Amino acid sequence: KNEVEQSPQNLTAQEGEFITINCSYSVGISALHWLQQHPGGGIVSLFMLSSGKKKHGRLIATINIQEKHSSLHITASHPRDSAVYICAVRSLLGTDKLIFGTGTRLQVFP
Amino acid sequence: ETGVTQTPRHLVMGMTNKKSLKCEQHLGHNAMYWYKQSAKKPLELMFVYSLEERVENNSVPSRFSPECPNSSHLFLHLHTLQPEDSALYLCASSQEASGSMSTDTQYFGPGTRLTVL
Repeated sequence: KNEVEQSPQNLTAQEGEFITINCSYSVGISALHWLQQHPGGGIVSLFMLSSGKKKHGRLIATINIQEKHSSLHITASHPRDSAVYICAVRSLLGTDKLIFGTGTRLQVFP
Repeated sequence: ETGVTQTPRHLVMGMTNKKSLKCEQHLGHNAMYWYKQSAKKPLELMFVYSLEERVENNSVPSRFSPECPNSSHLFLHLHTLQPEDSALYLCASSQEASGSMSTDTQYFGPGTRLTVL
């Protein structure tokens, strides 16, 4: 079992829909990252958060440290949002490495 | 454009070939990383360099050999690879690599998609 679990693994939506991607983790963390990976491989960091909520444009990320859970929300989804969304946590244990989830593949259709 | 470039973007090689992957960062960062991304698996950290010194090697087979000649460049030398080594190899950089409470964001390159025949 991965230390970072994401759900769903695959998600399809119609343009305009509100989307939620979930991330649960089982280790103590200092920070959690949401990353976006486009077809072709390039990865972009969307958010880094350690508490509460952050918003950037149509994207909102929340984290509940007590429940070890984070969500990424996309409002008014658009086909260009189609990508793999990856949750990664920075563990408090050992060498402070990032631990990655397997990603959620999102396809938004017009 | 994240400020981290990788070449080549695609590479096909035989099991007896020797090739190198190159990563360059233009961000003035002190730490660089190699990751492997296989299909349907989480990203796996391979190597971490901080100020040109290797600070982490996650049990990577010796057929992968990293080199960091300066803080802007990172290479991954490949030799006698196996078909199961086919994957996307991602380079990343961050301001610092150390510190137990570090929350540095890593900036990723576009990756090199490697196919081993």
